[in-house]
Amino acid sequence: NAGVTQTPKFQVLKTGQSMTLQCAQDMNHNSMYWYRQDPGMGLRLIYYSASEGTTDKGEVPNGYNVSRLNKREFSLRLESAAPSQTSVYFCASSEGEEGRANLYNEQFFGPGTRLTVL
Amino acid sequence: QKEVEQDPGPLSVPEGAIVSLNCTYSNSAFQYFMWYRQYSRKGPELLMYTYSSGNKEDGRFTAQVDKSSKYISLFIRDSQPSDSATYLCAGNTGGGNKLTFGTGTQLKVEL
Repeated sequence: NAGVTQTPKFQVLKTGQSMTLQCAQDMNHNSMYWYRQDPGMGLRLIYYSASEGTTDKGEVPNGYNVSRLNKREFSLRLESAAPSQTSVYFCASSEGEEGRANLYNEQFFGPGTRLTVL
Repeated sequence: QKEVEQDPGPLSVPEGAIVSLNCTYSNSAFQYFMWYRQYSRKGPELLMYTYSSGNKEDGRFTAQVDKSSKYISLFIRDSQPSDSATYLCAGNTGGGNKLTFGTGTQLKVEL
């Protein structure tokens, strides 16, 4: 099992450029998440998908869009990158499905994408 | 005010020391509390979780939750250089999948 994989590992963009960050999991998990991690701010949820076919905004969704392509894949798109989006982006997945009785629901994280917007 | 507050450190201790890492939270609905460990340039990984108040021990690690004071602690006994990492606490209401993370505390265990 590869777990959660992310591509690319590194990316440098110019202001205004667009790009898509890819994430895939092979654990048959229902829920998937996109976070950004900045110094002093911790992990902040951008978007999440509680199950295939659904997506919801997290704490910091502005400037991003997501697509839950199928149960395995959850992509994050920056339509017009800004320097404020320079960050490390993590994708995560967990077994639970929204609306069902949940236990603690461990999230498994990918290795991250380091994005710099000039 | 963030829902989960954590001293960012860095915290530097000698090998063999007992380490205490702490968080406070404001959401009374939190039922589950987790500690994630994140090595440099890696993704976080779950270290321990506890449900409601009480203690949980796993080897050299003990997680403690006091819901009356909204205080979460992680104790590391006989700390090792391999424990050098950032430790993130997180809370979950149990009614959904989302976690709320603290900012993380950077720990360095020196030889």
